[in-house]
Amino acid sequence: ELKVEQNPLFLSMQEGKNYTIYCNYSTTSDRLYWYRQDPGKSLESLFVLLSNGAVKQEGRLMASLDTKARLSTLHITAAVHDLSATYFCAVTGWNSGNTPLVFGKGTRLSVIA
Amino acid sequence: DTGVSQDPRHKITKRGQNVTFRCDPISEHNRLYWYRQTLGQGPEFLTYFQNEAQLEKSRLLSDRFSAERPKGSFSTLEIQRTEQGDSAMYLCASSLRFLGGGGETQYFGPGTRLLVL
Repeated sequence: ELKVEQNPLFLSMQEGKNYTIYCNYSTTSDRLYWYRQDPGKSLESLFVLLSNGAVKQEGRLMASLDTKARLSTLHITAAVHDLSATYFCAVTGWNSGNTPLVFGKGTRLSVIA
Repeated sequence: DTGVSQDPRHKITKRGQNVTFRCDPISEHNRLYWYRQTLGQGPEFLTYFQNEAQLEKSRLLSDRFSAERPKGSFSTLEIQRTEQGDSAMYLCASSLRFLGGGGETQYFGPGTRLLVL
């Protein structure tokens, strides 16, 4: 059974600081996704990572994937308050024929002044 | 088409009642998914369709749950004889699955928040 673990689950960080969120998954998967969710809202797609060594960046967020280690990271650079949200990583549960997502529990990020 | 829509956005019902939720995917998307999210957790997969065919159901989907996508466009999720444990956010997502696969992104709707009293 595919399991996805994120850490930390809660993160309080000061504006302007850098931090990394980690996502580990238990079995082979060919796709990894990062989503953002604001309180009471739905999920917004941030990144799709398809191959070992993939790196994608959007603004202050950068995601990377190491398929050999079954690890993805979401790096936050110079955090600002607008980044406060819950961040989920998700992987596909099977080989590329099927695409239901298995999600981690999420990392609740709070950026404080 | 601006995205995935769901109706209703909120539903309060009494235990034992039946409820039905609707999802309208992004118009050209051939895949449609249902997930359930409880407080403080990530979404959990329930079922998905490719066009009108239901391809997979999670073991979370008890026999009280049924989903349809009759014309390959909108989908409904019905819960019969609701229980308090069914209280959750029900999320719908859609994607475009193309030949060769790879890298499809699931776009989520706003969700239907269900409260069973």
